[in-house]
Amino acid sequence: DIQMTQSPSSMSASVGDRVTITCRASQGVKTWLAWYQQKPGKAPNLLIYGASSLQSGVPSRFSGSGSGTDFTLTISSLQPEDFATYYCQQTDSFPPTFGQGTKVEVQ
Amino acid sequence: QITLKESGPTLVKPTQTLTLTCTFSGFSLSTTGMGVGWIRQSPGKALEWLTIIYYDDDKRYRSSLRSRLTITKDTSKNQVVLTMTNMDPVDTATYYCAHSIYSRVFDYWGQGTLITVSS
Repeated sequence: DIQMTQSPSSMSASVGDRVTITCRASQGVKTWLAWYQQKPGKAPNLLIYGASSLQSGVPSRFSGSGSGTDFTLTISSLQPEDFATYYCQQTDSFPPTFGQGTKVEVQ
Repeated sequence: QITLKESGPTLVKPTQTLTLTCTFSGFSLSTTGMGVGWIRQSPGKALEWLTIIYYDDDKRYRSSLRSRLTITKDTSKNQVVLTMTNMDPVDTATYYCAHSIYSRVFDYWGQGTLITVSS
């Protein structure tokens, strides 16, 4: 199975901050990488697919980049509703695997 | 608009079989490319993909759970059923069903259902 490792596991940030989360795959997945946001008690919400394609309805402050084994999710200006846990997922092969999550907390 | 909702018991005893139903709307599982998968999340833990079924009845399973999992679809009822045998307390988790199209990306999710395994 492809292992997905996110860093950091948690972080503190303030409204307006630029936030960057990284995800590393244990083997190359080309650009088959998705990002999800999850709030407490809620289902994950797809933000990015294909490493950099913004899902319909997702604010443009979210962006993704990377290919191969190293990927980044960036929030250009953190908003109050963005405090949540973020997961990457490789969609290249079965089984689809997720990172352990990055919790973005209020500083 | 695509919606999915999981239903089933909230409490199962160890060794029992869990049966969960995902009832969906806004798409047909007979349409080329469509798929419905199951993903679970143990309390405070990360997401774990379990299985998926596609429009053509192609099924994939998590290898470590393959002997315990079965996924089926009823296209006429817009339902997908997950069965998981020999439940154990470590299977306590929120179970989600989710929509996928032509890929392993999950673009629409159900609200999830918390399953507790306890005697």
